[in-house]
Amino acid sequence: GESVGLHLPTLSVQEGDNSIINCAYSNSASDYFIWYKQESGKGPQFIIDIRSNMDKRQGQRVTVLLNKTVKHLSLQIAATQPGDSAVYFCAENIGTGRRALTFGSGTRLQVQP
Amino acid sequence: DARVTQTPRHKVTEMGQEVTMRCQPILGHNTVFWYRQTMMQGLELLAYFRNRAPLDDSGMPKDRFSAEMPDATLATLKIQPSEPRDSAVYFCASGLFVSRVASGANVLTFGAGSRLTVL
Repeated sequence: GESVGLHLPTLSVQEGDNSIINCAYSNSASDYFIWYKQESGKGPQFIIDIRSNMDKRQGQRVTVLLNKTVKHLSLQIAATQPGDSAVYFCAENIGTGRRALTFGSGTRLQVQP
Repeated sequence: DARVTQTPRHKVTEMGQEVTMRCQPILGHNTVFWYRQTMMQGLELLAYFRNRAPLDDSGMPKDRFSAEMPDATLATLKIQPSEPRDSAVYFCASGLFVSRVASGANVLTFGAGSRLTVL
């Protein structure tokens, strides 16, 4: 597997703390959003998604919040673990018809033991 | 687990050479995507197919890149001639498009990527 050493914003947290990763999107026509996690040497992996008619969705240890008013998406990770260290991307699906995801630039999460 | 398989994992070539990357999507998925990841541009969509038909290749340099799906189990991305600026990690992803309404069924599964270095 592969990844690239992107010069990304980095969030550093202590193991056990909660993490919040933010993402701003630009297109008000976006109707679907996904968070992906990319570990070193691997392709992006699905974490959680949310449709634009929702403002919150919870998974196992993860919660995604959507604020359409300010075009903001966040990923909250509870009780962050060393295995959560990765680059996190938000992706949006812009409108109808075109069913291809547009990815944000990513945030690197570093979990300190 | 079902997975998207990409080959080669690594490719080093000289400028001007032809490069072909291959992808085997997940069986039953009807949509295949090619993305390129670089330090400067992040993840960029190059092209995608639905039911083997190209739907969008606007992200792809047409003069040197070509993408095809010879059959439902194989997608190819070809660069001819390759240039140093093509150096990147190329990802294939597949998904099952169900309807015009976005849902979890539209989630993409990514392969491990092909790292291309053009000298």
